[in-house]
Amino acid sequence: DAGITQSPRHKVTETGTPVTLRCHQTENHRYMYWYRQDPGHGLRLIHYSYGVKDTDKGEVSDGYSVSRSKTEDFLLTLESATSSQTSVYFCAISESNGLNGDGYTFGSGTRLTVV
Amino acid sequence: LAKTTQPISIDSYEGQEVNITCSHNNIATNDYITWYQQFPSQGPRFIIQGYKTKVTNEVASLFIPADRKSSTLSLPRVSLSDTAVYYCLVGQSNFGNEKLTFGTGTRLTIIP
Repeated sequence: DAGITQSPRHKVTETGTPVTLRCHQTENHRYMYWYRQDPGHGLRLIHYSYGVKDTDKGEVSDGYSVSRSKTEDFLLTLESATSSQTSVYFCAISESNGLNGDGYTFGSGTRLTVV
Repeated sequence: LAKTTQPISIDSYEGQEVNITCSHNNIATNDYITWYQQFPSQGPRFIIQGYKTKVTNEVASLFIPADRKSSTLSLPRVSLSDTAVYYCLVGQSNFGNEKLTFGTGTRLTIIP
């Protein structure tokens, strides 16, 4: 979607290596989110941010860390990738908390494969 | 957070009206109901959001009964391009409740 980009779009990495996924927005939205999507589980929230340097855990945060040093960038890091982290990762942004008629805007996703 | 229950899948023919019902029995007073659409290999897309009664936009209508324990997304005269997964979410519209859960959604398949 316009205004939000994820990089890389695809990545294959080896077990035990660190991986960083980037989400970049040009909308100046306050809220940013990282979700993972797996068959049979829908989308599950990993971490979210409600401002620069303000982050909190979602329901599946183990094995992941995030950083937000600038409004426009939200980084997701897998410190030591495992095969269970093979997934499609989506970043989302919202001006408010997504519950005031605006909803979330999602990126196109990053397909990560850990071998 | 209120848990939601949706049908796993729905099949319909082109030109028909499709209704997808979401059950949320433990919805809280301040919870809003939001629906998203997701096509394969894309991120979800916001469709519509409401609190009570009926909301309509250029894409869909959302019907919410007085007890708010369920909601129905209505798609008028569907086409093949409406084939997608539809998610119902329930959450509060106030700072601090950013942990929205999407669930597994309803897979809508439109048949020519």
